[in-house]
Amino acid sequence: KQEVTQIPAALSVPEGENLVLNCSFTDSAIYNLQWFRQDPGKGLTSLLLIQSSQREQTSGRLNASLDKSSGRSTLYIAASQPGDSATYLCAVKAAGNKLTFGGGTRVLVKP
Amino acid sequence: EAGVAQSPRYKIIEKRQSVAFWCNPISGHATLYWYQQILGQGPKLLIQFQNNGVVDDSQLPKDRFSAERLKGVDSTLKIQPAKLEDSAVYLCASSFYLDEQYFGPGTRLTVT
Repeated sequence: KQEVTQIPAALSVPEGENLVLNCSFTDSAIYNLQWFRQDPGKGLTSLLLIQSSQREQTSGRLNASLDKSSGRSTLYIAASQPGDSATYLCAVKAAGNKLTFGGGTRVLVKP
Repeated sequence: EAGVAQSPRYKIIEKRQSVAFWCNPISGHATLYWYQQILGQGPKLLIQFQNNGVVDDSQLPKDRFSAERLKGVDSTLKIQPAKLEDSAVYLCASSFYLDEQYFGPGTRLTVT
């Protein structure tokens, strides 16, 4: 059974600092890995999707890496801003389009 | 393109009462998912439909939860009777068959 873990569970940084969020998974037989952002009381917004054959994906200040063999992904957010405060979730996709989510990392960026 | 719609956005009920949530997926999306997200945890899949058939309901507590997707479009998730531990956000998502899933805003349920 696939298990996804995100460490740390919560993170607080001053504005301008780079953010590093970690995600690990137990079964490397995945189709892709996706990072989502969730604001309080809202649904999930997809940030980046990395196919299993890719090593990284970038969008603006966001960069996500994937090491399938070791079961790890890292999301980097450069030059953090207060608007980056949210919960970040990673999810791995297996057969049948099934997503298994981690517990999330709650991020607070202080002005 | 309109996103996934859900209603209501918030619901407060007492334990042992019943409640129903509605989801309208993105037009043309054959696959629809219901997730339960307990506070501080990631979403957990409850049920997956493809068109109007159930693909996976292995994590649906069938003694109290039911879901249907009549005509392969809208879907309703029902809880009867509700327990305190059902307090959570219920997320609906849809995809074009097995492509990327798109999520709705969720329904926050509080059971008192």
